[in-house]
Amino acid sequence: SQKIEQNSEALNIQEGKTATLTCNYTNYSPAYLQWYRQDPGRGPVFLLLIRENEKEKRKERLKVTFDTTLKQSLFHITASQPADSATYLCALDSGGGADGLTFGKGTHLIIQP
Amino acid sequence: DAGVIQSPRHEVTEMGQEVTLRCKPISGHDYLFWYRQTMMRGLELLIYFNNNVPIDDSGMPEDRFSAKMPNASFSTLKIQPSEPRDSAVYFCASSIGREGQPQHFGDGTRLSIL
Repeated sequence: SQKIEQNSEALNIQEGKTATLTCNYTNYSPAYLQWYRQDPGRGPVFLLLIRENEKEKRKERLKVTFDTTLKQSLFHITASQPADSATYLCALDSGGGADGLTFGKGTHLIIQP
Repeated sequence: DAGVIQSPRHEVTEMGQEVTLRCKPISGHDYLFWYRQTMMRGLELLIYFNNNVPIDDSGMPEDRFSAKMPNASFSTLKIQPSEPRDSAVYFCASSIGREGQPQHFGDGTRLSIL
């Protein structure tokens, strides 16, 4: 069966360091992979999208990599700040067909001052 | 610009009652999605619409759940009769197109069935 795994444990990072979050998947061939941020009591907010033929995508302090051989995406936040503390969700998009997005359960990131 | 608007934000009701959740998508978006989020199962897609037509309802857990989209600016998710295991946060999201497009989420309805 299809499976998406994100670090279930909270990730504690010192302010100013780079935070790296992992998204692994099995039995899936996504055409796209998306990352979202979710704050307590709020809905997910879209951050970045990467296509299967792209290795890396950047937006300001954010960087996403996508390795379809390893079936893994890494999400990096450089120069992390306490305001970056949130839960980060990865979502797989199969592209065509009737399926919608399939989300991982998310990783809770805590940036400590 | 107004984002996706959901109502109510919180709903507490007793088992067996009918529950109706409401969603107003972003104007101009042609896709609308309903999700449910729990600690155990994460964020799960229930059903989605394209131009007001249901496309995939395979995520709807049981016949007690139904969703409608009578026009481009309004959708409802109904649970009848409700059960305690339906307690969760329900999100609505909309997008322009589906494939490779970001989804815009509302802030959800926190539903508690006693």
